[in-house]
Amino acid sequence: EAQVTQNPRYLITVTGKKLTVTCSQNMNHEYMSWYRQDPGLGLRQIYYSMNVEVTDKGDVPEGYKVSRKEKRNFPLILESPSPNQTSLYFCASSFGFDQPQHFGDGTRLSIL
Amino acid sequence: GENVEQHPSTLSVQEGDSAVIKCTYSDSASNYFPWYKQELGKRPQLIIDIRSNVGEKKDQRIAVTLNKTAKHFSLHITETQPEDSAVYFCAASINLGGKLIFGQGTTLQVKP
Repeated sequence: EAQVTQNPRYLITVTGKKLTVTCSQNMNHEYMSWYRQDPGLGLRQIYYSMNVEVTDKGDVPEGYKVSRKEKRNFPLILESPSPNQTSLYFCASSFGFDQPQHFGDGTRLSIL
Repeated sequence: GENVEQHPSTLSVQEGDSAVIKCTYSDSASNYFPWYKQELGKRPQLIIDIRSNVGEKKDQRIAVTLNKTAKHFSLHITETQPEDSAVYFCAASINLGGKLIFGQGTTLQVKP
């Protein structure tokens, strides 16, 4: 089954404790992207990757890191999480930025 | 800066009526405009998209129109049904690249 898999689905953690949200797709997509969703603000792009080893900042990259060492994986790293990063996070992938994106089920992060 | 404005933020219609959601964008180089639907508690899913070389696109009850001169595009849903109730997001590509800016979302309620 074609899918984008995010883990964990839910996480409650504390300020400053490094965490990684994994994202994996099995559709051989070149383009991958991370978004955060907050009430009233819609979806905001954090980082995106056009292909392996190619990553670029989205609209709200501060406080986040990503890597794209393999085509299928695109982890999101919060080196020193803060409460303002409490949000619902979505990973998405597609064959190109101008192609339909397939979203994962989302990861709800709470940072206390 | 680059932005996408979406209106209205909420929209309530009677079943069978039409619904229109409008978005304006700031980057004249934007060339890809997708629309996503997100049902409560679920992932966003693409419902229709349009590229800058096309003025209108239809898919059954859904249509999107693009006015490049005015830098705005609209989603039209005809003969609305209760299952159309969801949050709808527009988006625009930025700088001919992989960056996507989303609108703030429109909550559509279709009353039976």
